[in-house]
Amino acid sequence: RKEVEQDPGPFNVPEGATVAFNCTYSNSASQSFFWYRQDCRKEPKLLMSVYSSGNEDGRFTAQLNRASQYISLLIRDSKLSDSATYLCGTDSWGKLQFGAGTQVVVTP
Amino acid sequence: GAVVSQHPSRVICKSGTSVKIECRSLDFQATTMFWYRQFPKQSLMLMATSNEGSKATYEQGVEKDKFLINHASLTLSTLTVTSAHPEDSSFYICSATRDRAEGSYNEQFFGPGTRLTVL
Repeated sequence: RKEVEQDPGPFNVPEGATVAFNCTYSNSASQSFFWYRQDCRKEPKLLMSVYSSGNEDGRFTAQLNRASQYISLLIRDSKLSDSATYLCGTDSWGKLQFGAGTQVVVTP
Repeated sequence: GAVVSQHPSRVICKSGTSVKIECRSLDFQATTMFWYRQFPKQSLMLMATSNEGSKATYEQGVEKDKFLINHASLTLSTLTVTSAHPEDSSFYICSATRDRAEGSYNEQFFGPGTRLTVL
């Protein structure tokens, strides 16, 4: 079983709509969780960190469920520029483990 | 945010040649650098952790004699893919952290990546 798993999508989202997707992790000792955004053929860029139960930054909300070992990302009022692959990452003793990413495509 | 550069951004080479990729932290000293590889539609896979002045720690399944890592200074780490073959074609990305307390996580700043194509 992979340490971090994500639904690959794609999630096709009309502009202005809300989209949410999850990431499950297997290492119960993980303390830090991250959502990265990766555009095609580019490096990942940190979107937000999740250290406690959740975090909110503008239109983006991340929630952590330790009991079920998953984190979620919700994007409200989707913009065309939100189209990207969203990578979930968890730390494992100072090393990041990534999921394969969830592709989001926002359509006009 | 901190800036990490990689060079070259893209390289095409013949099978059997060696390719060196540089990763530099431009505005901070990076005690730890990480090297990742990403195949199309797959996740970033950590290849090795590189600490300045010491030998790199390789992840299981990564051949240390094929992927040579040198972290000679606090701002530079290099990855050399020796005797590259077509199956080594991938997107190689480095990241750097400012410092790393044992067992804790410090934000990783990613370089822009190097796309290697081996013919």
